[in-house]
This record gives sequence, structure tokens and C-alpha cells, in this order.
Amino acid sequence: AQSVTQPDIHITVSEGASLELRCNYSYGATPYLFWYVQSPGQGLQLLLKYFSGDTLVQGIKGFEAEFKRSQSSFNLRKPSVHWSDAAEYFCALVYGGATNKLIFGTGTLLAVQP
Amino acid sequence: DAGVTQSPTHLIKTRGQQVTLRCSPKSGHDTVSWYQQALGQGPQFIFQYYEEEERQRGNFPDRFSGHQFPNYSSELNVNALLLGDSALYLCASSLAGGSSFNEQFFGPGTRLTVL
Repeated sequence: AQSVTQPDIHITVSEGASLELRCNYSYGATPYLFWYVQSPGQGLQLLLKYFSGDTLVQGIKGFEAEFKRSQSSFNLRKPSVHWSDAAEYFCALVYGGATNKLIFGTGTLLAVQP
Repeated sequence: DAGVTQSPTHLIKTRGQQVTLRCSPKSGHDTVSWYQQALGQGPQFIFQYYEEEERQRGNFPDRFSGHQFPNYSSELNVNALLLGDSALYLCASSLAGGSSFNEQFFGPGTRLTVL
């Protein structure tokens, strides 16, 4: 069955430090993959997406992610974290063709220390 | 250009009651999807509406039903509420188009608490 796993429930990093959030997926083919961010009281905002082509994708707010087929992973990275990056991050894949049904992981809550 | 809007922001109901949540899609979008996000979980797909019909449904009981109006806005109805229905309900809109993915834009959600 299609699924998304985010192994880290909670991560704390210092401001200015680098960040990597892990995401693994299970899917029968190459999926469309996404990272969303959710701030308290806010809806989900799309950070970046991978459909095909270059396996390193750039997103908004200085985030990037790398698709690794051999590891079934799509990890999110940022070289220098800002206090405003504190939020919950969700990895997701699309299943269902034209219906665009999103399957989400359980999320990683990021805390940023001053 | 207003994004996706949802109402109400918060709602408190008791077990057994019925609730209706509303969603207005982003301008120009014709497809609305609903997701349930329980505390500490990722959103789970409930169903999607296009051309006023349910196009696909997730693993939710028939107590969950929906409707899409000619102006593309949508309602989510939940009957016979259970404590486990307490969650953030997210609406997402998109533009239908062929077999390719069209980005879904999410609203801020409605927080439903069932007592």
C-alpha cells in the first residue's frame, strides 16, 4: 500500500544550524512527492514538489529536497535555519491520478533554539 | 485574490450531533478536497468533489458526506458525531485538468471539538 513515513516526530535545532528532515515512501512507481509546512493556526503551505527530472529540487524559503529512488527517500534540507522556520513539516505523495489524492506522513515538529 | 476560506474557524459539538463545515475555493478553482487532521497526525483524505459530484472517497464511514454547489463552494457534513471526530478539517482547492497533478491550495481549517 502507498504510504509515507517521517521517522522523526520532533526535532530541535539551533538558529543558523543546518536542517534535514527525513521522509521515506512506499509506492509502486515513481510518485509525485511534496513537502508542506504548517504553522500554528494556519493551513498547509507547499514548500516544494518533485515530479520527475532533476532529483534535487528547490523550494520556497530556502528549502531544498533530494529524491533518492534507491532509498525511497525525499529528505528536506535547509543550510541555515531561521527562528521563523519553527513549524510542523509534512511529506506527502499523490496517489490516484487525476483525483490528486494526497497521502501524508505524520509530520515532524521543528523547534528552533535561539 | 482570496485564497481558500473555511468557516467556521472553531466549533464545539456534543456526541450524536450533526455538523456542517463550509469551504470556498480559491478563485478559478473547480475542485474541492476535504481532509481530516487528528491531533499529532498528518491529514487524511476524506473525499473530493468535482462538477458537483463526489469523485473519490477515502476510508471514512457514510456519516461523512459532502456537497458541491454550482459556484464550486463545498460543504462537509458529519452525522452522529463521535469523540474521535474531533480534529482539524482542512479544505483544499485545485483546478481539474487531465491526468497530471494540479497543486492543491489549503485553507486554514475548521477545528471541531466533540464533547
